[in-house]
Amino acid sequence: KAGVTQTPRYLIKTRGQQVTLSCSPISGHRSVSWYQQTPGQGLQFLFEYFSETQRNKGNFPGRFSGRQFSNSRSEMNVSTLELGDSALYLCASSLGNRGTGELFFGEGSRLTVL
Amino acid sequence: GIQVEQSPPDLILQEGANSTLRCNFSDSVNNLQWFHQNPWGQLINLFYIPSGTKQNGRLSATTVATERYSLLYISSSQTTDSGVYFCAGGNSGNTPLVFGKGTRLSVIA
Repeated sequence: KAGVTQTPRYLIKTRGQQVTLSCSPISGHRSVSWYQQTPGQGLQFLFEYFSETQRNKGNFPGRFSGRQFSNSRSEMNVSTLELGDSALYLCASSLGNRGTGELFFGEGSRLTVL
Repeated sequence: GIQVEQSPPDLILQEGANSTLRCNFSDSVNNLQWFHQNPWGQLINLFYIPSGTKQNGRLSATTVATERYSLLYISSSQTTDSGVYFCAGGNSGNTPLVFGKGTRLSVIA
């Protein structure tokens, strides 16, 4: 079956702009988690959605937001981009019915902010 | 929250050598996974192993939950094993997985 799909794979933005990233989970998975990966900070948890509800949230400013749709697809948005937002954004899906569970990651969206 | 420590941070091996990567947790976990990050950035699942031992080809993993650590064994390493290996853990049903900083493995022919 198809894996986790993230779009776009690469994108370049300038400071002050906003960006929306999309994640389609594995069929049947109801939980979607987002992580930010940077060389300095490693993999940091952004948020998790389960059945359209945010179940967990990491320690990121309010410029970072997300949502999940009824088909379990998820989007995350970053507004007023800063240079430090340049990172690989990874989405993972899991069944989620008994907590986070086993995660399966997509290929990531690599964001460069100029 | 949980702290995850991985060791060693870097490892260079000759092709054919064996290696052991370690992951220590500051608290008990009931959700533990090992991943390999490929050169394009994707995290590939290796093992979901909250306890016990599993094997998949040349790779195996052991988690001793009571002592809060997990080990990943790579035998007869190949150049394609190069990359960064991450472990991640969580300690209750609804908390996110916390990742370690990874072990960067370089296998030289």
